[in-house]
Amino acid sequence: DQQVKQNSPSLSVQEGRISILNCDYTNSMFDYFLWYKKYPAEGPTFLISISSIKDKNEDGRFTVFLNKSAKHLSLHIVPSQPGDSAVYFCAASGEPGSARQLTFGSGTQLTVLP
Amino acid sequence: NAGVTQTPKFRVLKTGQSMTLLCAQDMNHEYMYWYRQDPGMGLRLIHYSVGEGTTAKGEVPDGYNVSRLKKQNFLLGLESAAPSQTSVYFCASGQGKENTEAFFGQGTRLTVV
Repeated sequence: DQQVKQNSPSLSVQEGRISILNCDYTNSMFDYFLWYKKYPAEGPTFLISISSIKDKNEDGRFTVFLNKSAKHLSLHIVPSQPGDSAVYFCAASGEPGSARQLTFGSGTQLTVLP
Repeated sequence: NAGVTQTPKFRVLKTGQSMTLLCAQDMNHEYMYWYRQDPGMGLRLIHYSVGEGTTAKGEVPDGYNVSRLKKQNFLLGLESAAPSQTSVYFCASGQGKENTEAFFGQGTRLTVV
């Protein structure tokens, strides 16, 4: 069973508008959540993260929101730019006794239209 | 800044052949990981290591072996390749501490025919 789910395989947004990518998780033991961005033929690169003790973390155009009671997090990109077009992976870590390995969602392909 | 480097970038194998994927990191990280990525799925953990000389199984370890003889290197071996092992393989490293991210290599695209 998937512990981290991204239910939208793809999302298209107009340049300058807000992009909202969603992620749900089932394991209440996760304590750290991350977003990675991946371009074709490259490895995932870290974008932004949030600890379970917070509900919001902001870094420039990127903001991640965490709703622990709903086991839901989202990534907001404002304003969206064509260079943001990539696959975005949600990931979680922190199970007790683990090696901080990441459990990934299946990814959302974001396309920002000029 | 090399970060995490994977060798090779591409490889085509025949069923039953063996090969080793090499991962090298220059960030002095204790923890290293091997993931595979398949279409429509996220990255899945194959094996990992929490330090030199240690290895452990991840979510999908069958058909793979690993070794961590040096802190900076983590090798992934396929003893007898199968078409089901056609995938993109990513190596990652990290500090293994709370609230820290993992850093990924550029990937190895492996095709088994």
